Amino acid sequence: EVQLVESGGGLVQPGGSLRLSCAASGFTFNNYWMSWVRQAPGKGLEWVANIKQDGSDKNYVESVKGRFTISRDNAKNSVHLQMNSLRAEDTAVYYCARGGDYHRCWGQGTPVTVSS
Amino acid sequence: DIQMTQSPSTLSASVGDRVTVTCRASQSISNWLAWYQQKPGKAPKLLIYKASNLETGVPSRFSGSGSGTEFTLTISSLQPDDFATYYCQQYITYSRTFGLGTKVEIK
Repeated sequence: EVQLVESGGGLVQPGGSLRLSCAASGFTFNNYWMSWVRQAPGKGLEWVANIKQDGSDKNYVESVKGRFTISRDNAKNSVHLQMNSLRAEDTAVYYCARGGDYHRCWGQGTPVTVSS
Repeated sequence: DIQMTQSPSTLSASVGDRVTVTCRASQSISNWLAWYQQKPGKAPKLLIYKASNLETGVPSRFSGSGSGTEFTLTISSLQPDDFATYYCQQYITYSRTFGLGTKVEIK
């Protein structure tokens, strides 16, 4: 069974940092691009970033460029999102998703709240 | 970035109704479009990819059509389990974008 399990979310002050992780199982992880998608409270979905199978290509939504870094560890079947200089508008549930185009598989999401 | 505009934002319908949701792209995306269903507190679920390909396990009452800049998601006979929010997503550019969603409510 394909599973994606996110962790690392929480409450952080503006300007702070968090590192989200996503543990993958049930499929050959290094065959797939991986992505992060977020959803602010009561709002729609927003694509955040994706990373190629070998980590050689990464893409970001404009609003997080220079602040967020996506990475992966194929030996541990995991993908990460390092989030720095967090802002109130980064408050959202963050989903890990398989694939770089469309997403067949999603995690359950991890909530991030940026507030003082 | 390519903007994705969905209409309507809310749709009230009854069980058994035929329902159509429209998604328009600000520039041509060929057929690089997916549709998702999301229920409150849950992750999105893929329904359609490449504009018209039904994802495995998704009921055949769901269908997708269109190409270029205009796309539709149709539910041929609305079922109680279909009351949810639906999103389109383009994946032609490296910066993927979603529509704002269409909430299908019980009339």
